[in-house]
Amino acid sequence: AQRVTQPEKLLSVFKGAPVELKCNYSYSGSPELFWYVQYSRQRLQLLLRHISRESIKGFTADLNKGETSFHLKKPFAQEEDSAMYYCALRGNFGNEKLTFGTGTRLTIIP
Amino acid sequence: EPEVTQTPSHQVTQMGQEVILRCVPISNHLYFYWYRQILGQKVEFLVSFYNNEISEKSEIFDDQFSVERPDGSNFTLKIRSTKLEDSAMYFCASSGMGDQPQHFGDGTRLSIL
Repeated sequence: AQRVTQPEKLLSVFKGAPVELKCNYSYSGSPELFWYVQYSRQRLQLLLRHISRESIKGFTADLNKGETSFHLKKPFAQEEDSAMYYCALRGNFGNEKLTFGTGTRLTIIP
Repeated sequence: EPEVTQTPSHQVTQMGQEVILRCVPISNHLYFYWYRQILGQKVEFLVSFYNNEISEKSEIFDDQFSVERPDGSNFTLKIRSTKLEDSAMYFCASSGMGDQPQHFGDGTRLSIL
């Protein structure tokens, strides 16, 4: 069975400090990992996917197959980063369902 | 940028009534999904739909649920006889061919009284 674990429900970080949102997964094959963000009262938006290996809004995430992790990082937090962040997994056959973690609410303290 | 649109944004229904949630996926997308999020819980997969048929469904998607693509643009989720526990945020998503990511709508908040 596939599972995504986000151990922190809430995370508060001072503006300018580094941010790390943890995500671990369980999947028998080679999954695709995503980070989605949900700003207040808005839709789920794709932030990152591991195959793109790009940085969006200063965020990066590296897939670590040995540790089965896909942690989201940003070196310097900004107030506009306050949001709900969801890690999600998709199987390796393309258009499969997404399995989400429980989400982490990130609050940036000014 | 094209978006997935969902209507209504909020639906209040009496227990036992039928409800239809509507979605307009992005126009050139071929894969369609419904997810739900009960308050305080994680986003859960309900069903995926491709080529006019269900490609996968979860254990949540029982006989009370059905999906339809009645025309070339709409994708609907019907709950035949709603229960209190159906109260949740329902998200529609769509994706294109290959390994394209899923794009989500704003969601419909369903409240069962």
